[in-house]
Amino acid sequence: DAGVIQSPRHEVTEMGQEVTLRCKPISGHNSLFWYRQTMMRGLELLIYFNNNVPIDDSGMPEDRFSAKMPNASFSTLKIQPSEPRDSAVYFCASSLAGQLLYNEQFFGPGTRLTVL
Amino acid sequence: GQQLNQSPQSMFIQEGEDVSMNCTSSSIFNTWLWYKQDPGEGPVLLIALYKAGELTSNGRLTAQFGITRKDSFLNISASIPSDVGIYFCAGRVGSQGNLIFGKGTKLSVKP
Repeated sequence: DAGVIQSPRHEVTEMGQEVTLRCKPISGHNSLFWYRQTMMRGLELLIYFNNNVPIDDSGMPEDRFSAKMPNASFSTLKIQPSEPRDSAVYFCASSLAGQLLYNEQFFGPGTRLTVL
Repeated sequence: GQQLNQSPQSMFIQEGEDVSMNCTSSSIFNTWLWYKQDPGEGPVLLIALYKAGELTSNGRLTAQFGITRKDSFLNISASIPSDVGIYFCAGRVGSQGNLIFGKGTKLSVKP
């Protein structure tokens, strides 16, 4: 059974360029989460969706960041324009939320973003 | 806002030794999770806890949900080199939604 799939695994871009990160959650999961991980700040939740609807985007740092989930099997996180301080590892995670008690999050392998 | 304090930040131990790490929160949590992250990979769920006082094992790993619901502990017995990595605790206030993560405990094991 495939886990959470993220692409690309590595992205190197120049300041000012648009960056798009992609995520395919585990089939059947209805919640999707975007995290950013840095040495200084650890794992930070950026935004999460439930049934394709953004529920909490309070972690999105600036208007330069946007996320979409057009359907249950795909989500994107876009940074436009990118800045060097956006360099981090970005993780996508999914879970099955709802009435079930056991709704743990499963993480993808991450996208390592470097903005020069 | 909610905060999680995870300690220690790092540990250097000898193979075969037992390991203990813990997390404390400023809020009462309904769920405590422990994840392990290997270099270049995403966090992998190790143990999930849902009731105060709950003690759950996964092989050589044992975790407990503190009775105050504001803390959790993870123990690793008889450590081996593949235990190396960063261990994160995470807590959730409600029954679903976002998790609050600790800063992690970096474990190094000397063969």
